[in-house]
Amino acid sequence: AQTVTQSQPEMSVQEAETVTLSCTYDTSESDYYLFWYKQPPSRQMILVIRQEAYKQQNATENRFSVNFQKAAKSFSLKISDSQLGDAAMYFCAYLPTGNQFYFGTGTSLTVIP
Amino acid sequence: DTGVSQNPRHKITKRGQNVTFRCDPISEHNRLYWYRQTLGQGPEFLTYFQNEAQLEKSRLLSDRFSAERPKGSFSTLEIQRTEQGDSAMYLCASSSGLAGPHGETQYFGPGTRLLVL
Repeated sequence: AQTVTQSQPEMSVQEAETVTLSCTYDTSESDYYLFWYKQPPSRQMILVIRQEAYKQQNATENRFSVNFQKAAKSFSLKISDSQLGDAAMYFCAYLPTGNQFYFGTGTSLTVIP
Repeated sequence: DTGVSQNPRHKITKRGQNVTFRCDPISEHNRLYWYRQTLGQGPEFLTYFQNEAQLEKSRLLSDRFSAERPKGSFSTLEIQRTEQGDSAMYLCASSSGLAGPHGETQYFGPGTRLLVL
């Protein structure tokens, strides 16, 4: 079975601080993609960052970076210098090549001013 | 082109009625996906199209659900004889389908929120 687990239903971070959201997944595939999406309240899902499983180098996008541990099947998201606009539900998603997404249950991030 | 669009954004219907939702993908994206999202959960895959061909359907997609993409552009999702359990957000996404990570990335629409009374 291909499942994605986000063990932190809620997280909070002080503005300008750093927070890490965890994600683990289960798969027998060797080639796949991993994504983090952000869903602000009542707004649409937005791509935050993407990682190809065959790349050892961790992806980074400005203040967002991942810690991808393929052997451990772990894919955490680090948000540096947190901003109020980062408050949202964050979903980790696993994508076997050319197939459907498998999403976790999400982590609700609160940014405290 | 400003992204994936979905209509209507909200729909309230009575149990037993039929509803139809529309999704317009990003231009030239040949893959189109439908997901359902209930409160507090991540999106769950329903079905996907490669151009006009429906290539995969989830077991979540009961006989009351049908999806079409007749010309390989926009898609419709119809739910017949709606039930209260169908209340959810229905999300559409598209991807280019080209090889590589950019081609695999799915871009989501704003969703259609359905409430069945």
